[in-house]
Amino acid sequence: DGGITQSPKYLFRKEGQNVTLSCEQNLNHDAMYWYRQDPGQGLRLIYYSQIVNDFQKGDIAEGYSVSREKKESFPLTVTSAQKNPTAFYLCASSPIAGGSVEQFFGPGTRLTVL
Amino acid sequence: DAKTTQPPSMDCAEGRAANLPCNHSTISGNEYVYWYRQIHSQGPQYIIHGLKNNETNEMASLIITEDRKSSTLILPHATLRDTAVYYCIVRVGAWDTGGFKTIFGAGTRLFVKA
Repeated sequence: DGGITQSPKYLFRKEGQNVTLSCEQNLNHDAMYWYRQDPGQGLRLIYYSQIVNDFQKGDIAEGYSVSREKKESFPLTVTSAQKNPTAFYLCASSPIAGGSVEQFFGPGTRLTVL
Repeated sequence: DAKTTQPPSMDCAEGRAANLPCNHSTISGNEYVYWYRQIHSQGPQYIIHGLKNNETNEMASLIITEDRKSSTLILPHATLRDTAVYYCIVRVGAWDTGGFKTIFGAGTRLFVKA
């Protein structure tokens, strides 16, 4: 089955620790995205990447970092500089060409910083 | 800022049609209307999109007004599993003109009741 996987589903970390969230896709999509969602809110774009070894900041990139060494993988690191990291994190991917940028989302990782 | 306006919540009886409105009065000529839904604690799921013609697929129908300033998502026979937050998004269809930029507002929380 083609899709996007995120692991783990739930993650707990102590304040001041960096933590890396995994995102893998086997849809052969060029573009990948990371969003953050707080309770009762919509999604906010953290980072996006349209090609391997290239990525761009979204609206709320401060305190986060990403890498795109492989087409299928786009891990997100939540650093200790992120003031309020507890949130639901969603990864997505989409094709670029073809007239549609429909995004496919993973199941999400719920991060709780204690 | 979100470019769409949706009611915060709606109720629908099981088996009846659910009609979810969305206003997008500042939509540009090259922007599509996309609908996604998010079931609690899961990633958003693509439903349907359109430019100016009405669209139908196995999940829903999308009715876009002639002036394109508003649209309605129709779930023809709502079931309890359709209870979710529904997001209406306007976005260009191509990556190179900003199609990566997907702004998810708070959406409409649809409650389907038995």
